[in-house]
Amino acid sequence: RKEVEQDPGPFNVPEGATVAFNCTYSNSASQSFFWYRQDCRKEPKLLMSVYSSGNEDGRFTAQLNRASQYISLLIRDSKLSDSATYLCVVNFGMDSSYKLIFGSGTRLLVRP
Amino acid sequence: DGGITQSPKYLFRKEGQNVTLSCEQNLNHDAMYWYRQDPGQGLRLIYYSQIVNDFQKGDIAEGYSVSREKKESFPLTVTSAQKNPTAFYLCASSRPQEIYYGYTFGSGTRLTVV
Repeated sequence: RKEVEQDPGPFNVPEGATVAFNCTYSNSASQSFFWYRQDCRKEPKLLMSVYSSGNEDGRFTAQLNRASQYISLLIRDSKLSDSATYLCVVNFGMDSSYKLIFGSGTRLLVRP
Repeated sequence: DGGITQSPKYLFRKEGQNVTLSCEQNLNHDAMYWYRQDPGQGLRLIYYSQIVNDFQKGDIAEGYSVSREKKESFPLTVTSAQKNPTAFYLCASSRPQEIYYGYTFGSGTRLTVV
């Protein structure tokens, strides 16, 4: 089983749509969770951290379910500029908490 | 402004050559990392370093070497032993005790074997 698994997509949605990405992780000792955004041929950039209680940043909402080892990202009112690959990222665990494991990413295409 | 600088942006290597990719950060981060990304794929960890003069192999260290003589610098050498070096190389840094802030990435180096 991969340490961090994501649906590769692509998700092809119209502008204004709501889209949700899911991610599962294998290490129950993981403590830190993130969503990164990567544009084509660019470096990944931190979109948001994911907190146990769930958190929201504008049109973006992240949820964490520790029992199921599952993370989600919801994007409301999609914009053309949201087209990118979204990477689910989890820290390795208690012994190597500074190491982050990256999922392979979910590609989002927002069409006019 | 603090950040991570990778150079060069593009690099072409002939078969059998060693090349060195530069990574410098002025964020005062203790930990630094090198990742490789192939087209349409995720990031794979090559090497990482938590402190000066210490580094550990990641998942795909064969054919690569690193040094960490200064806190700010973590150069990666792609040796001739790396059979398929064409890829996008990303350097990152973090404060291990503040991993909840995630990693900061440089803008990457695209290496092509010609």
